Amino acid sequence: AQRVTQPEKLLSVFKGAPVELKCNYSYSGSPELFWYVQYSRQRLQLLLRHISRESIKGFTADLNKGETSFHLKKPFAQEEDSAMYYCALSLSRDNAGNMLTFGGGTRLMVKP
Amino acid sequence: GAVVSQHPSRVICKSGTSVKIECRSLDFQATTMFWYRQFPKQSLMLMATSNEGSKATYEQGVEKDKFLINHASLTLSTLTVTSAHPEDSSFYICSVLAGGAYSNQPQHFGDGTRLSIL
Repeated sequence: AQRVTQPEKLLSVFKGAPVELKCNYSYSGSPELFWYVQYSRQRLQLLLRHISRESIKGFTADLNKGETSFHLKKPFAQEEDSAMYYCALSLSRDNAGNMLTFGGGTRLMVKP
Repeated sequence: GAVVSQHPSRVICKSGTSVKIECRSLDFQATTMFWYRQFPKQSLMLMATSNEGSKATYEQGVEKDKFLINHASLTLSTLTVTSAHPEDSSFYICSVLAGGAYSNQPQHFGDGTRLSIL
């Protein structure tokens, strides 16, 4: 069965430090992976997706099929990056459409 | 601006009450919407997929008669928690998907509804 694992519930770094939020997945098909972010008192929103291969707010994520990982990285963390981050895997099901499976989430705290 | 409107944001009611939560797609017509449940300090768990004009697809372990889903129009899905009990207290979140059930577009999420059953 498909599974998304975010091993760290909390990650605390100082402003300007590099950040890496880990995400590992297990899925027998071709993965479609996303990172969603939830800032304080705001709704969950898309940060980036692997097929776009773009950098959003300085964040990047590379799909590594060999390691089944999709870690989120930013070279220099900012205080406004403090939020809850969720890694999600989209998979297609016969007669049931696509669905998202979420990891447990990692709370990033960027200290001044 | 917001793509999805979810109401109400907070409900507190007595045990045995039925509660209806609305999810509206504001920017586009959505044949597919999703309902999630999130317990404190846990991740989002998909409850069901709401399909316009047809029956919802429920995930394993989710009671169809307990969580009634209606998707009568291309912009509105409702989740009714019937005869709610304290164990139904949770954070319920909806999302909409552009492009149909098999679309690879990202989902757009509502603000969520915090349901507290006394």
